[in-house]
Amino acid sequence: GAVVSQHPSRVICKSGTSVKIECRSLDFQATTMFWYRQFPKQSLMLMATSNEGSKATYEQGVEKDKFLINHASLTLSTLTVTSAHPEDSSFYICSARRQGGGLGYTFGSGTRLTVV
Amino acid sequence: GESVGLHLPTLSVQEGDNSIINCAYSNSASDYFIWYKQESGKGPQFIIDIRSNMDKRQGQRVTVLLNKTVKHLSLQIAATQPGDSAVYFCAEKFGLTGGGNKLTFGTGTQLKVEL
Repeated sequence: GAVVSQHPSRVICKSGTSVKIECRSLDFQATTMFWYRQFPKQSLMLMATSNEGSKATYEQGVEKDKFLINHASLTLSTLTVTSAHPEDSSFYICSARRQGGGLGYTFGSGTRLTVV
Repeated sequence: GESVGLHLPTLSVQEGDNSIINCAYSNSASDYFIWYKQESGKGPQFIIDIRSNMDKRQGQRVTVLLNKTVKHLSLQIAATQPGDSAVYFCAEKFGLTGGGNKLTFGTGTQLKVEL
């Protein structure tokens, strides 16, 4: 079946530094990848949609200069949280949709970011 | 619209009983719906899906019902087991004319299975 690998699973960083999270589709090519943020006891909130080879589309209220998304290949998308602050601490989850259409959305295992 | 919950509703059931988890979705143009299970510290896990041209779909121990008239979705779990304890989310995909292929998640329900 389709597998999405997300790395790292946990990261702690200091305020003001940047953190990169990787999302890889292991056994399929993903035309579109999605990045979500989830706060404790809350739902997943879509941050942005990234399509391979083009600029990401950000949801309203999400700062594109703070959350940099790069989808350089059909199997890799990265999210970089720049100048991280404690309020950026959250659970970040990626999802990939298979190239060629279809309705399958496969999720990564998530990254717990703690900014101290 | 977006669904953000300040806390998760909780459903407690006895082991062996059937569970019914409900979800109200937001967009009448949504054409595809998915139920996900999320365990603590993990990503969502696919359970079952349904297209908008159907009103019922069954899987192994799970059934999804769709009522487009009132924009309501439900997940029924038969013979609930301790391993079913998790948070359950419904997600909707808007049609191509209204938002592309992104998924919007519901508030979520915490299912607790009591022995």
